[in-house]
Amino acid sequence: EPEVTQTPSHQVTQMGQEVILRCVPISNHLYFYWYRQILGQKVEFLVSFYNNEISEKSEIFDDQFSVERPDGSNFTLKIRSTKLEDSAMYFCASWGDTWEFYGYTFGSGTRLTVV
Amino acid sequence: ILNVEQSPQSLHVQEGDSTNFTCSFPSSNFYALHWYRWETAKSPEALFVMTLNGDEKKKGRISATLNTKEGYSYLYIKGSQPEDSATYLCAFGPSGGGADGLTFGKGTHLIIQP
Repeated sequence: EPEVTQTPSHQVTQMGQEVILRCVPISNHLYFYWYRQILGQKVEFLVSFYNNEISEKSEIFDDQFSVERPDGSNFTLKIRSTKLEDSAMYFCASWGDTWEFYGYTFGSGTRLTVV
Repeated sequence: ILNVEQSPQSLHVQEGDSTNFTCSFPSSNFYALHWYRWETAKSPEALFVMTLNGDEKKKGRISATLNTKEGYSYLYIKGSQPEDSATYLCAFGPSGGGADGLTFGKGTHLIIQP
């Protein structure tokens, strides 16, 4: 069964450093997403991406965040200058826009720890 | 701010017993209600997506119902097995389809005791 792959599974970074989280969505999917879950809190929507541009973003997705699909395969989330409060599990997801909606396919996440 | 609530937060169930838990969501501006099953260290896995009031979906021993007028969905597990132990997440999708982000509940953490 096709999978969404995320790397790395765990990243530790110093406050103020830039991080790039990588995802390989399912190849024939059209919509791509980033979500995050801060420990003990709800999973939160960050951004959706369609047709090589951002479709929608939440209030969390400020100027420190950016997304890219540089080569038609990878889908990346960049945090420009990390803060302690960016520590969370970050999930990538994709959806194929079929007429019958089976739900999103999620990756297994990248745990980001900012120290 | 959309509010999606799940109850209970956690649940211990004896193997073989049946159980159910609830997701409540805004009854206006509804598009879809998702259920995901999330085992530790794995990806959240889609169980159901429901869009119509009165929808009832089934996958093996797991089923779900939807009431969009009053804003709730139930997930049922019949004859619980240890492999059903997981966190069950519901998520509300507003009108707009694929571009809109989902609003998740905090999840129900289910532990099946042998």
